[in-house]
Amino acid sequence: SQQGEEDPQALSIQEGENATMNCSYKTSINNLQWYRQNSGRGLVHLILIRSNEREKHSGRLRVTLDTSKKSSSLLITASRAADTASYFCATDRMDTGRRALTFGSGTRLQVQP
Amino acid sequence: NAGVTQTPKFQVLKTGQSMTLQCAQDMNHNSMYWYRQDPGMGLRLIYYSASEGTTDKGEVPNGYNVSRLNKREFSLRLESAAPSQTSVYFCASSEGSGGSGNTIYFGEGSWLTVV
Repeated sequence: SQQGEEDPQALSIQEGENATMNCSYKTSINNLQWYRQNSGRGLVHLILIRSNEREKHSGRLRVTLDTSKKSSSLLITASRAADTASYFCATDRMDTGRRALTFGSGTRLQVQP
Repeated sequence: NAGVTQTPKFQVLKTGQSMTLQCAQDMNHNSMYWYRQDPGMGLRLIYYSASEGTTDKGEVPNGYNVSRLNKREFSLRLESAAPSQTSVYFCASSEGSGGSGNTIYFGEGSWLTVV
């Protein structure tokens, strides 16, 4: 079963607007990562947040983590058409001894120019 | 620096045929993974190798076998392909385990269709 579930499944916004994607997970984690996938390509790592962190920034990205609610959010500020992609959260898997990641089903972001 | 390279990019198989997906990384990573991606399903872990000489089953291992040939290479074999194995397959690697916060680097994917 999927550990992480993203919400919404799809999001369409205008260039310049902010995009917020949410991720919920089921079991305790050590860290949570966000990845991006352009259409027809492999996934690319964006940012990692550890379980003892509440917020992290990287350029136009802001990630929050609420371990009490087992949820995370990814905010992309001042979006650009080039941000159009699918975004996935990933958490460490307890059933692999935390040696592999479980990915959610992703949020498809469309940024209209 | 090529990163993670997987071949072939596209393959069409007939039901019952066998094939091997090849994967190699040039980053001297210890851990390697095979995931499959189906529409609306995200990525599901098939097998992983935490270090050279070890392999372990992931979430959906049935119908697949793997070989960690050496530190660089991790192949995925379909012994008797079934239509349910039509998917996009991703090989990935990381320096240490993904669960320890290591970044996972992905190949570009292999599109497999079983007819």
